Amino acid sequence: DVKVTQSSRYLVKRTGEKVFLECVQDMDHENMFWYRQDPGLGLRLIYFSYDVKMKEKGDIPEGYSVSREKKERFSLILESASTNQTSMYLCASRTPGLAGNEQYFGPGTRLTVT
Amino acid sequence: GQSLEQPSEVTAVEGAIVQINCTYQTSGFYGLSWYQQHDGGAPTFLSYNALDGLEETGRFSSFLSRSDSYGYLLLQELQMKDSASYFCAATRDKIIFGKGTRLHILP
Repeated sequence: DVKVTQSSRYLVKRTGEKVFLECVQDMDHENMFWYRQDPGLGLRLIYFSYDVKMKEKGDIPEGYSVSREKKERFSLILESASTNQTSMYLCASRTPGLAGNEQYFGPGTRLTVT
Repeated sequence: GQSLEQPSEVTAVEGAIVQINCTYQTSGFYGLSWYQQHDGGAPTFLSYNALDGLEETGRFSSFLSRSDSYGYLLLQELQMKDSASYFCAATRDKIIFGKGTRLHILP
């Protein structure tokens, strides 16, 4: 079974802190994604990565950065956390191209910024 | 731009059939996917339509019409465990999700 894991299920941070969210997948997928999910807004793409050391901005990249040094790991970084970044963060991975229509999601990290 | 529109909520009765519609505007479109998400859980893949027509997987079917930029998910013989949010998603170099439809099932 494909497994996507995220470093924490729940996280509480203070405003201004630097926050790292880690995601690891075990299926050798080239593509990895970070979404945030808020009530009524669905899943919004923050950043994605086609392969190691490659990254592309999604629809809402402001306030976030990412790192992909190894194929299996994709990190989301909040440089200076703010209360409007309180959300559920979901990581996903897939095989690229037409064969990769299925994304596999991690369990999510519920981040609260106080 | 790219966007997908789907109803925010749908209510149906256990044992009945329900259809969740999705209209989209997106360029470079490969196909339309559907995901299910239970409260507190992660989205899980249900189906994918690359070509026009109906794809059936057990109680669930999905339809795509590229000429109408429209698709739907059909759930038959509804069970209480089908109560969840359902997302349509446009697949291209990345996957763009709609805002989701909350399905309520009445006994």
